[in-house]
Amino acid sequence: KNQVEQSPQSLIILEGKNCTLQCNYTVSPFSNLRWYKQDTGRGPVSLTIMTFSENTKSNGRYTATLDADTKQSSLHITASQLSDSASYICVVNKAGYSTLTFGKGTMLLVSP
Amino acid sequence: DAGVTQSPTHLIKTRGQQVTLRCSPKSGHDTVSWYQQALGQGPQFIFQYYEEEERQRGNFPDRFSGHQFPNYSSELNVNALLLGDSALYLCASTDGISYEQYFGPGTRLTVT
Repeated sequence: KNQVEQSPQSLIILEGKNCTLQCNYTVSPFSNLRWYKQDTGRGPVSLTIMTFSENTKSNGRYTATLDADTKQSSLHITASQLSDSASYICVVNKAGYSTLTFGKGTMLLVSP
Repeated sequence: DAGVTQSPTHLIKTRGQQVTLRCSPKSGHDTVSWYQQALGQGPQFIFQYYEEEERQRGNFPDRFSGHQFPNYSSELNVNALLLGDSALYLCASTDGISYEQYFGPGTRLTVT
């Protein structure tokens, strides 16, 4: 079964601190992996997309890494801000399909 | 460009009723996907429409049906509503070429 597992389930950090979120997947064959940010009650917004050949990609204070051999990805958030409080969802696209497999997300709370 | 739009924003229905949700894709996009997101869960793929045909379908019963119009907008219909159908329903569009899917803000359906 194609799955995407994320950890931790939730995380509280102080404003200004860094954090790293993890994603493991079994989706195969692999096409690309995305990280989305979803504010409560809103639609997900794309942060990064990485294909098999990419092992890191940055978007401002967000840096995603991908190890396609171990099927692991991480999302590192630098100098967190209160507005970073949201759910961060790891999403994997299976090769040959345009549909997406979502993880359950990591709920991040940035505290002042 | 208005991006992906969905209507209505919120909806309350009674068990056994039928509901229709609407989605207008981002300009230039011809493919629309629908997702169901229960509280605290990642989105689950319902189905995808391209050229007015259902191209792929997730593990959802026949009570969930859809339609795509010539202008690429789409509807999601759910018959015989159950309490478990309460969720955020997300629409996403893509141009079928790039990897990127753009999500709408969602419709929050509550079944009582």
